[in-house]
Amino acid sequence: DTAVSQTPKYLVTQMGNDKSIKCEQNLGHDTMYWYKQDSKKFLKIMFSYNNKELIINETVPNRFSPKSPDKAHLNLHINSLELGDSAVYFCASSHDTGVGYGYTFGSGTRLTVV
Amino acid sequence: DAKTTQPPSMDCAEGRAANLPCNHSTISGNEYVYWYRQIHSQGPQYIIHGLKNNETNEMASLIITEDRKSSTLILPHATLRDTAVYYCIVRGTGTASKLTFGTGTRLQVTL
Repeated sequence: DTAVSQTPKYLVTQMGNDKSIKCEQNLGHDTMYWYKQDSKKFLKIMFSYNNKELIINETVPNRFSPKSPDKAHLNLHINSLELGDSAVYFCASSHDTGVGYGYTFGSGTRLTVV
Repeated sequence: DAKTTQPPSMDCAEGRAANLPCNHSTISGNEYVYWYRQIHSQGPQYIIHGLKNNETNEMASLIITEDRKSSTLILPHATLRDTAVYYCIVRGTGTASKLTFGTGTRLQVTL
């Protein structure tokens, strides 16, 4: 059974479109994250939610809006897509925000904006 | 969170131990050392973490120096499937603390 699942796995879309990526975890974790990995392979955190509350919001354009309907789900909606948004987006979860716990990552969503 | 320094790449023969070094000379007392790896096109995978004592699990061992300014991840018997980018990360406490990935070490395991 997949622990952290993301859909879709691949997404190709045109500039200016609005798209969403969904993430679900069945680990019973309280905290979820979105990371972006660009073409140079740098992994950067974008957002973190703990029990549906936003706790980390890095310098991300406000075209990106996370939504956590419950603690098992963290979706990422992107408005007015740009070429520079092309990347692999990884969702992750952890037991809570404490340092004693590792993160479990999903397999990623490869977004290509054309 | 403290910054880490890792060699960009390393090679290791299959079956031998892979020792991956990491420097974190500015680490503070409440910061943990984490290791993750990313196999090509997959999500990062948690390996191990520690504060000051050496740690071992089914995947690897983590050796942290007494002054905590450096650490070594040891894969005791590397296999081809261990070829990946290995990230050493230092993370502090606090609700807003986060895993910040650097450039990592690309480990190539060869026959």
